[in-house]
Amino acid sequence: DTAVSQTPKYLVTQMGNDKSIKCEQNLGHDTMYWYKQDSKKFLKIMFSYNNKELIINETVPNRFSPKSPDKAHLNLHINSLELGDSAVYFCASSSSALVRGGELFFGEGSRLTVL
Amino acid sequence: QKEVEQNSGPLSVPEGAIASLNCTYSDRVSQSFFWYRQYSGKSPELIMSIYSNGDKEDGRFTAQLNKASQYVSLLIRDSQPSDSATYLCAVRRAAGNKLTFGGGTRVLVKP
Repeated sequence: DTAVSQTPKYLVTQMGNDKSIKCEQNLGHDTMYWYKQDSKKFLKIMFSYNNKELIINETVPNRFSPKSPDKAHLNLHINSLELGDSAVYFCASSSSALVRGGELFFGEGSRLTVL
Repeated sequence: QKEVEQNSGPLSVPEGAIASLNCTYSDRVSQSFFWYRQYSGKSPELIMSIYSNGDKEDGRFTAQLNKASQYVSLLIRDSQPSDSATYLCAVRRAAGNKLTFGGGTRVLVKP
């Protein structure tokens, strides 16, 4: 069973369109994250939810809107896609403490290409 | 200055040699340090964590931390072709759940 699963794995779309990525984890974690990895491999946090509450909201355009219906799910909706949004988007989860010994468990990533 | 900096590489090492990867960080209050490995086209996976100054060994991997110099390193002994990947350094402040990643060092182990 996949621990953190994302869908879809690939998206190819035109500028200006809207797209969503869904994430689900079956690890029993209560904290979930969206990270963006650009072509230079920088992995940058975008959002984090703990028990459906937004706890990390980095400087991200408001075209990006996360939503967590419950602690096992975290979705990402992107409006008015731009060329610069092309990247791999990783969902991750962890236990809420994420103190010593905690780690992030990543999904397989969703590669978004905006044409 | 980036919060976490790594040499992007590639770091090319012959099979059986030691690969040495370096990472510096800018935030002095950082308390927890991690090394993740990412194979091409795959997701990152945790291989080492270190919290105190000094060395921590796990199999062929050794993490070294020097908080005074704001420096953390990873040594891979007896490098194998299967170690060829990008290694991401990650740092966390004492409070909060945010992990800040460096840009990664690509390692190529040649048979």
